[in-house]
Amino acid sequence: SQQGEEDPQALSIQEGENATMNCSYKTSINNLQWYRQNSGRGLVHLILIRSNEREKHSGRLRVTLDTSKKSSSLLITASRAADTASYFCATDNSGNTPLVFGKGTRLSVIA
Amino acid sequence: EAEVAQSPRYKITEKSQAVAFWCDPISGHATLYWYRQILGQGPELLVQFQDESVVDDSQLPKDRFSAERLKGVDSTLKIQPAELGDSAMYLCASSLFGTAEQYFGPGTRLTVT
Repeated sequence: SQQGEEDPQALSIQEGENATMNCSYKTSINNLQWYRQNSGRGLVHLILIRSNEREKHSGRLRVTLDTSKKSSSLLITASRAADTASYFCATDNSGNTPLVFGKGTRLSVIA
Repeated sequence: EAEVAQSPRYKITEKSQAVAFWCDPISGHATLYWYRQILGQGPELLVQFQDESVVDDSQLPKDRFSAERLKGVDSTLKIQPAELGDSAMYLCASSLFGTAEQYFGPGTRLTVT
């Protein structure tokens, strides 16, 4: 079963704008990760944030985690057409357990 | 850069037929996962291997699905007989033991007619 929900389900923005996606989950976690999936392809790992971290940056990506609200957000700054993809959050409760994914946010960046 | 390999990339089969998918994880990755992804949804775990042993197959429909990783390297997932509801993307992922980051293959898109 799905761990949680991404919000919004779909997002359409202009190139150069920022994109924010949210993720909520249900149970306690060890790590939360964000993955990107281009249409019909496998998933690509973007960033991992541990349960004791509140914010993490990687290039144009910024992830926040609020364990008290069981929620996370992914911010993509200065979006590009190549960022068009589905974005999934995934949680685990230890380092060697399966990931539990949300339903994803479909991002469209219009050039 | 090392990648997870999967084959075939696409498979069309008639219901009641048998199908098999193959996965070769990144060298040195002891943990291997098979996920199923229905269109518009996130992936859901089918089975997890640690080396050649099954760690979690609680979500694997064992009446028709089987998975093996005989030498602890590559893995095969089989469906027999296939049903219409099995149409989905089948994703293989691997990870180093004890780490959370998983590396995914390109997937096998199965269509059952």
